[in-house]
Amino acid sequence: DGGITQSPKYLFRKEGQNVTLSCEQNLNHDAMYWYRQDPGQGLRLIYYSQIVNDFQKGDIAEGYSVSREKKESFPLTVTSAQKNPTAFYLCASRTSGGLYEQYFGPGTRLTVT
Amino acid sequence: AQSVAQPEDQVNVAEGNPLTVKCTYSVSGNPYLFWYVQYPNRGLQFLLKYITGDNLVKGSYGFEAEFNKSQTSFHLKKPSALVSDSALYFCAVRDGRNTPLVFGKGTRLSVIA
Repeated sequence: DGGITQSPKYLFRKEGQNVTLSCEQNLNHDAMYWYRQDPGQGLRLIYYSQIVNDFQKGDIAEGYSVSREKKESFPLTVTSAQKNPTAFYLCASRTSGGLYEQYFGPGTRLTVT
Repeated sequence: AQSVAQPEDQVNVAEGNPLTVKCTYSVSGNPYLFWYVQYPNRGLQFLLKYITGDNLVKGSYGFEAEFNKSQTSFHLKKPSALVSDSALYFCAVRDGRNTPLVFGKGTRLSVIA
């Protein structure tokens, strides 16, 4: 899992509550990503950031928000507007440029009841 | 738009036999192709990538992949499967620009002793 930290590993919340997932990297990577993984659906992109103070929506951004105030950190907030938030959330980062692979964190499993 | 297809949800192979996990892709420009492996409740680990050059790419843990431009395929292979290779495998593509990876839905590999 390299130099990417996601905390906590397991997170439980009640429906209607916002929750923030942490992602920190010490790889000096410019770009960071958030994916959601559901069984049989692969990885779907939520948000990504190519540089500090800038981010773009991915394919399933509704109900989520992010910030990128520091190069090392890219927290994801799952809001109460997200209709089906229970999932495995993966953060990734990489050096800018198309040649390079993304490195992934260990993931956070969020359960909302 | 970029897309990846992994036509098999599940691949079963006997230990010691060769294995193949299939992947086909669609991109508008030159493809940058990647394979990742995921063990239960973990993040994704990078296996190998094709950027340019030799169509046969060698990666971690004895895996290799063959790029076939005419068939738009990038199949993952290993000459002799191990039980420890049992995991979820993802193929991903980028069109060479500084864009996020697009992932297939994954193929679950089961190696039987």
